[in-house]
Amino acid sequence: EIVMTQSPATLSVSPGERATLSCRASQSVSSNLAWYQQKPGQAPRLLIYGASTRATGIPARFSGSGSGTEFTLTISSLQSEDFAVYYCQQYNNWPPTFGPGTKVDIK
Amino acid sequence: EVQLVESGGGLVQPGGSLRLSCAASGFTFSSYWMSWVRQAPGKGLEWVANIKQDGSEKYYVDSVKGRFTISRDNAKNSLYLQMNSLRAEDTAVYYCARRGSAYNWFDPWGQGTLVTVSS
Repeated sequence: EIVMTQSPATLSVSPGERATLSCRASQSVSSNLAWYQQKPGQAPRLLIYGASTRATGIPARFSGSGSGTEFTLTISSLQSEDFAVYYCQQYNNWPPTFGPGTKVDIK
Repeated sequence: EVQLVESGGGLVQPGGSLRLSCAASGFTFSSYWMSWVRQAPGKGLEWVANIKQDGSEKYYVDSVKGRFTISRDNAKNSLYLQMNSLRAEDTAVYYCARRGSAYNWFDPWGQGTLVTVSS
């Protein structure tokens, strides 16, 4: 099973600033990586798949990059609605596995 | 609008059973793999099970194999998860999710239903 790790566990950012979240896989997952956003009391929402393709309706301020074992989610200018927990997930190997999440909170 | 609505969660004693349902609308249900993903209270996400469009293939995480059964009724646009021999560690919010067209990413997700296993 591929183990996903995310850093940092918590990221404190001011509105309007850039946020950079990292995700690492225990072995190569090619570009088969997705990112999700989850707000308190809500279901996760798909942001990115294929490491860099934005899902339908996702604002352009969200971007993903990376391949192999190292991935990054960048939020270019944080809006109030972006404060949430972000999870990465690999789907290259069976079973699909998620990272532990990065909480983005207000600085 | 694509929508997934789960139901059937609740409090159950260890060793008990529960059946979750997920009603799908806004898309051609029979054309998609479907999944269950769970989240223990305050914890991260764990994929639980997948089922192929016609129900002919089913996959489970090791921790639920032999205890949980995923099924679907395409005529009713519904997905199910029969959970038997429940354990305290199965306590979680269970989400129904549509799998990506060719890959195991998940979009969209239902609002979830809470299963609590406790005496």
